[in-house]
Order: sequence, then C-alpha cells, then structure tokens
Amino acid sequence: QKEVEQNSGPLSVPEGAIASLNCTYSDRGSQSFFWYRQYSGKSPELIMFIYSNGDKEDGRFTAQLNKASQYVSLLIRDSQPSDSATYLCAVNMRSSGSARQLTFGSGTQLTVLP
Amino acid sequence: NAGVTQTPKFQVLKTGQSMTLQCAQDMNHNSMYWYRQDPGMGLRLIYYSASEGTTDKGEVPNGYNVSRLNKREFSLRLESAAPSQTSVYFCASIGTGLYEQYFGPGTRLTVT
Repeated sequence: QKEVEQNSGPLSVPEGAIASLNCTYSDRGSQSFFWYRQYSGKSPELIMFIYSNGDKEDGRFTAQLNKASQYVSLLIRDSQPSDSATYLCAVNMRSSGSARQLTFGSGTQLTVLP
Repeated sequence: NAGVTQTPKFQVLKTGQSMTLQCAQDMNHNSMYWYRQDPGMGLRLIYYSASEGTTDKGEVPNGYNVSRLNKREFSLRLESAAPSQTSVYFCASIGTGLYEQYFGPGTRLTVT
C-alpha cells in the first residue's frame, strides 16, 4: 500500500464546474498536508496547505482535511482551462526520518474543457 | 521559480559517466532537498539537508551523493550514471514554515 495515494486520472471537467481531487494517506499521525500544481514540463508550485480538520479556503481553492478518515481533498471552483495541470498531494508524515520530510502522491492529471 | 536556481537544465550522459547537478537558493533557507520525478510518479526524495553542514538520506539515495557547500548551495553528484537514473531532478528549499516551499526549474537528465 502506498503511503500517499491519489487517483491518477485523468480527470476532466467542463469550464465553470467544480473539480474535486482526493488524496488518502497511511500514517494516522501525519500533521500537515500540501497541494501542488504542476504544469507540464514545469516544477511543482505550492498552492494550498492545511493542518487542522475542516475546510480552508483561498480564492477558488478549498482544501478539506479529515484526519479520522485519513483523507485530504482539493476543490477548485469555477474551473478554468488554465487550471489544467497535474495536482500533487504531499504529507508530512510522523514516520518520516525528519519533521521536514514530505511524502508525495503520484498526482492527478486534471483537464478543464472549454 | 524565483529564488531557486538549478544547472544544467538538460543533460545527456553515457552509462558510467559522472556529473554534478547544482542548486542554489537566495532566500536564506536552512533546509534544502533533492527529488527525482519519473513519468506518472510523484516526487521521491533522494537526499536532504536540514541545515548547513548536515545531509541525510531520503527514500532513494543509492547511486547519489550530495554536498551542502554553504547555506545557499546544495549539489547532487552521480558518480557512475546508470539508465535507471534517467529522470527529472528538482531541488527545493523550505523556510521556517513548511508552507514556505520553493522548487527549482528542474534538470532533465537522460542516461544512455
């Protein structure tokens, strides 16, 4: 079982719709959770982070964390074609060798159709 | 990629050749990281440096060595390249908070 799992997709949504991206993790003691956007051929860019159970909103992005169920999700409202990218989930797992190590999922490819 | 630079951007090596990937950051961060990314996969940690003068192995360190030359620079060396090391390599630096994360533009390495 992978430590951080994401549906690889591809996920396609029409422009203006809500895109929902999900991530599950194995270490129940994980403390912090991150979402990155990676355009094709580019480096990852951190777009959201969340530490506490519940929702965190930033513009069109909402991160949701449920530690009891060990999942974290990213909602993108009013999706735009420019949101088409691969979205990576990363977790700061308690079991890692250092408090500053992150474990990444394999990413979900999102396509927003005009 | 403001603040984190990597050289070279592209490199082709023959099996057995050696090379060093360079990374530098100008944000005064203590922590620096080297990752590799293979097609359809996320980032896997090769080595990291929590502070100047310290380095530690990550998930996939075999075949690599690192040097934290000073607070700004963190290099990754392949002593004897193998085709399995064909990948995209990203350097990252992290600030005081884990939310202060920045990645370099990447080095695309092909080993034939």
